[in-house]
Amino acid sequence: NAGVMQNPRHLVRRRGQEARLRCSPMKGHSHVYWYRQLPEEGLKFMVYLQKENIIDESGMPKERFSAEFPKEGPSILRIQQVVRGDSAAYFCASSPNQGAANEQFFGPGTRLTVL
Amino acid sequence: LAKTTQPISMDSYEGQEVNITCSHNNIATNDYITWYQQFPSQGPRFIIQGYKTKVTNEVASLFIPADRKSSTLSLPRVSLSDTAVYYCLVGGYILTGGGNKLTFGTGTQLKVEL
Repeated sequence: NAGVMQNPRHLVRRRGQEARLRCSPMKGHSHVYWYRQLPEEGLKFMVYLQKENIIDESGMPKERFSAEFPKEGPSILRIQQVVRGDSAAYFCASSPNQGAANEQFFGPGTRLTVL
Repeated sequence: LAKTTQPISMDSYEGQEVNITCSHNNIATNDYITWYQQFPSQGPRFIIQGYKTKVTNEVASLFIPADRKSSTLSLPRVSLSDTAVYYCLVGGYILTGGGNKLTFGTGTQLKVEL
């Protein structure tokens, strides 16, 4: 059973460009979460989605950021008009409907660098 | 969400037992205590979770006193490969049927040497 997959692993963008980060959850998992990690800091929750629904986006900036988890295909985190402060590691996690509370399976992350 | 406090760093040697304590004075009745491990350039990995007393699995033990205001992650006989950041998280289900956002602090950087 493949783990959570994220691509690309590294992404370089210039200021003002768009960044698209993809996440394929583990097979059978219907809950997807996105987190951001700045250097030397812990992960910060951004958004929680289920298929075709955003459940909780309380950690996501109101502007330039959006997320989706379509019926078919991976979850996408989209950052428009990137700025240098968006440079960070973005982790996706997934969890099944049943299982231990708070157990999430994390992908390897996408490291975004904004020049 | 309950705030957690844990040491910024710890040093140990191979073969020793390491105990990392986390304080969570404001833990709520339905909160679980969960520990994650993160290696550089990787996503966090679930280690262990508990609600009260003691939980043990193949990699660690988790001790939770009766008042649940703290918890201790115990790693037996650490090796160099246990060098990582360890996060203590406190929280429960926000929605029934699964799904919960996790709140990570800055964690404890464990360094294991020969």
